[in-house]
Amino acid sequence: EPEVTQTPSHQVTQMGQEVILRCVPISNHLYFYWYRQILGQKVEFLVSFYNNEISEKSEIFDDQFSVERPDGSNFTLKIRSTKLEDSAMYFCASSDSDGETQYFGPGTRLLVL
Amino acid sequence: GDSVTQMEGPVTLSEEAFLTINCTYTATGYPSLFWYVQYPGEGLQLLLKATKADDKGSNKGFEATYRKETTSFHLEKGSVQVSDSAVYFCALIRNQAGTALIFGKGTTLSVSS
Repeated sequence: EPEVTQTPSHQVTQMGQEVILRCVPISNHLYFYWYRQILGQKVEFLVSFYNNEISEKSEIFDDQFSVERPDGSNFTLKIRSTKLEDSAMYFCASSDSDGETQYFGPGTRLLVL
Repeated sequence: GDSVTQMEGPVTLSEEAFLTINCTYTATGYPSLFWYVQYPGEGLQLLLKATKADDKGSNKGFEATYRKETTSFHLEKGSVQVSDSAVYFCALIRNQAGTALIFGKGTTLSVSS
């Protein structure tokens, strides 16, 4: 069964450093998403991406964040200058042409020191 | 704005007990409703969904019925197993392709033998 994959599974970085989180969505899916989950809290939407453009973003997704689909398979989230409060589990998701049912990857746990 | 409210956990049950996790929502229009499950150390897995009023989603013995009159989507299972121990998230999405899933805070279920 096709699935969303994410790398790395864990990343530790110093405050102020740039990080890139990588995702490979399900191959025939057209919509891509990033969410985050701070430890013990709810899952929060960051951004959705369709047809090489951001289609929706939340207040959390400020100028420190960017997304890219550099090739036909990868979807990345970049945080330019990490803060302590960026420590969270980051989930990638994708959905097919109906854009409704979202399938999630296993997540990347980011720890900013 | 749109929101999802779940019953506070943790919910602690003995094996074979009946499970109900309450979920209510606030939304304009007619959202689709979902239950996702997060097993310890893993990502989010879609458990079931319902896309219109009176639809019943079901999977792995879990059921939930979309009740528009009470704006609810309560999760039920007739006989829980230890392996059902996880965090359960209720979520909604507006019926517009590629938009954000809005999650409840999650309910932790712990089942003992």
